[in-house]
Amino acid sequence: DGGITQSPKYLFRKEGQNVTLSCEQNLNHDAMYWYRQDPGQGLRLIYYSQIVNDFQKGDIAEGYSVSREKKESFPLTVTSAQKNPTAFYLCASSPPGTRNSPLHFGNGTRLTVT
Amino acid sequence: QKEVEQNSGPLSVPEGAIASLNCTYSDRGSQSFFWYRQYSGKSPELIMSIYSNGDKEDGRFTAQLNKASQYVSLLIRDSQPSDSATYLCAVNPSGAGSYQLTFGKGTKLSVIP
Repeated sequence: DGGITQSPKYLFRKEGQNVTLSCEQNLNHDAMYWYRQDPGQGLRLIYYSQIVNDFQKGDIAEGYSVSREKKESFPLTVTSAQKNPTAFYLCASSPPGTRNSPLHFGNGTRLTVT
Repeated sequence: QKEVEQNSGPLSVPEGAIASLNCTYSDRGSQSFFWYRQYSGKSPELIMSIYSNGDKEDGRFTAQLNKASQYVSLLIRDSQPSDSATYLCAVNPSGAGSYQLTFGKGTKLSVIP
């Protein structure tokens, strides 16, 4: 079955450490996205990529970095510069060629930094 | 700043009743509208999309869009306890790419058996 796989499901890190969240999709979607969700808050866009080897900052990119070396993969690194990294991180993708496409989400990674 | 507003709830309805969830948006040029269901601790799941004024029905779900009044609603008929979740409204302003999708904060629905 096609889908988006995020790993790990839960991640615990000490403050000051960088951590990388994995996102892989086999839907053949060109565009991929990273969102952050905090309790009681809407989804906020961190980074997005519309094609391989290209990505753009979203609304809250500070303290995060991404790469898009393969169409299937869009890993997110949460750096030590991110002041409040504890959150639920969601990776999403959308099909090519249509502006009005909905997003398809992975199962999310819950990151806790202490 | 393009905004999408939802009543945070919780909205409580008895089992079998109709649940009505509302969403307003600020960008008059918005062209695509989505409803996602999110169970606690899980990721959002697309349940409805609507692009034209009027009603769109899918099983027990009906999405209603009124672009003149800038609101979109979701009706859930014959509500079941399994419908208890947070419902997110998402709006794509002015036909831009999906990266500009703006989400509301969600309405928590509780269906009481």
